[in-house]
Amino acid sequence: GALVYQYPRRTICKSGTSMRMECQAVGFQATSVAWYRQSPQKTFELIALSTVNSAIKYEQNFTQEKFPISHPNLSFSSMTVLNAYLEDRGLYLCGAATGPQDTQYFGPGTRLLVL
Amino acid sequence: QQKVQQSPESLIVPEGGMASLNCTSSDRNVDYFWWYRQHSGKSPKMLMSIFSNGEKEEGRFTVHLNKASLHTSLHIRDSQPSDSALYLCAARATSSGQKLVFGQGTILKVYL
Repeated sequence: GALVYQYPRRTICKSGTSMRMECQAVGFQATSVAWYRQSPQKTFELIALSTVNSAIKYEQNFTQEKFPISHPNLSFSSMTVLNAYLEDRGLYLCGAATGPQDTQYFGPGTRLLVL
Repeated sequence: QQKVQQSPESLIVPEGGMASLNCTSSDRNVDYFWWYRQHSGKSPKMLMSIFSNGEKEEGRFTVHLNKASLHTSLHIRDSQPSDSALYLCAARATSSGQKLVFGQGTILKVYL
């Protein structure tokens, strides 16, 4: 079956520091990987969508300078939260799919707490 | 910008009862809807997806879609306490590839 792993599951960082999180797809080829954030009391916001061999598309209010993403192959993606502040806390989800018309499978998420 | 509206915000049903959740998109280019369930502290798990008019049933779950009104609904019959969770509706427009837009969710509580 299709599985998506995320690491770490929970992390705490000091305000102003950076945190890198990883996403691993197992059992299928993750042609596209979407990174979302669920802030407290909010729904999931798409940060960016990465498709292999295409440019990474960032949503409004999210930038590459703040959330650089790497998607080097069909099973792995990473995203860094640079210069994290209180408003960056939340659950960061990775959603991976084989193709543009396929179901997105989510990992367990990385919960980020900023002190 | 596309919006996905879910209603009600929260729903309480007795064990064995029927829970009905609604979702509407404002984007006429939307062609696919997903329903996800998220238990507290967990990541969302896909329940069902639908892209054709009509209904689709899997066990206790039934999904309806009206493409003309861009409205989908999820019905859970014989609700169980373990169904208590946040239910998220996600919509995707044809041209947007894997970009999903999520609604705010409906919190379902099933009591004994």
